[in-house]
Amino acid sequence: DAKTTQPNSMESNEEEPVHLPCNHSTISGTDYIHWYRQLPSQGPEYVIHGLTSNVNNRMASLAIAEDRKSSTLILHRATLRDAAVYYCILEISNFGNEKLTFGTGTRLTIIP
Amino acid sequence: EADIYQTPRYLVIGTGKKITLECSQTMGHDKMYWYQQDPGMELHLIHYSYGVNSTEKGDLSSESTVSRIRTEHFPLTLESARPSHTSQYLCASSEYPGGSNEKLFFGSGTQLSVL
Repeated sequence: DAKTTQPNSMESNEEEPVHLPCNHSTISGTDYIHWYRQLPSQGPEYVIHGLTSNVNNRMASLAIAEDRKSSTLILHRATLRDAAVYYCILEISNFGNEKLTFGTGTRLTIIP
Repeated sequence: EADIYQTPRYLVIGTGKKITLECSQTMGHDKMYWYQQDPGMELHLIHYSYGVNSTEKGDLSSESTVSRIRTEHFPLTLESARPSHTSQYLCASSEYPGGSNEKLFFGSGTQLSVL
């Protein structure tokens, strides 16, 4: 199964951009890249997902490498409320039986 | 906004008790999931359902069982709770068009402690 590799933890200053890396060297051509985050004492929430092109939404941007073996989640201006565990997940294409397998993620700490 | 609810939020019970964790969603989603998560650890998929009368076991073996009699309801049951079942249980749903849109909506979870 394709897997992702993320740093265990990162720190960033408040009001600065944050770049969260993810490696997925065994990704196949039809696998989507998803990002979720989990705030303390809550269930995970969807952040963004993409296949090949970079994606933007109101929460974040997703930059996908040309060879698709890595991606970066970009928070443009971090706030204290962005402190969470961020999960990079591959959605393995499986004829309608797609499931999301969560890893241990990156724990992001925001420094005031 | 997601409309998926789990009750109870916290549950402390003794060994041997039968318990049911409730999960309901009002979005009309076909696919629902149960994940188990220990503190600081990854989420493990233990059950999922494609729709009414469909239940499947997930990637992690679990002694719990699930049922799906109504689209909106996906309860999880432990017939005889043990301390090893102490964990956080997270319910989620998605629209299941298949393919690229496995966008999950999660509940707030049930923290189960078995004494």
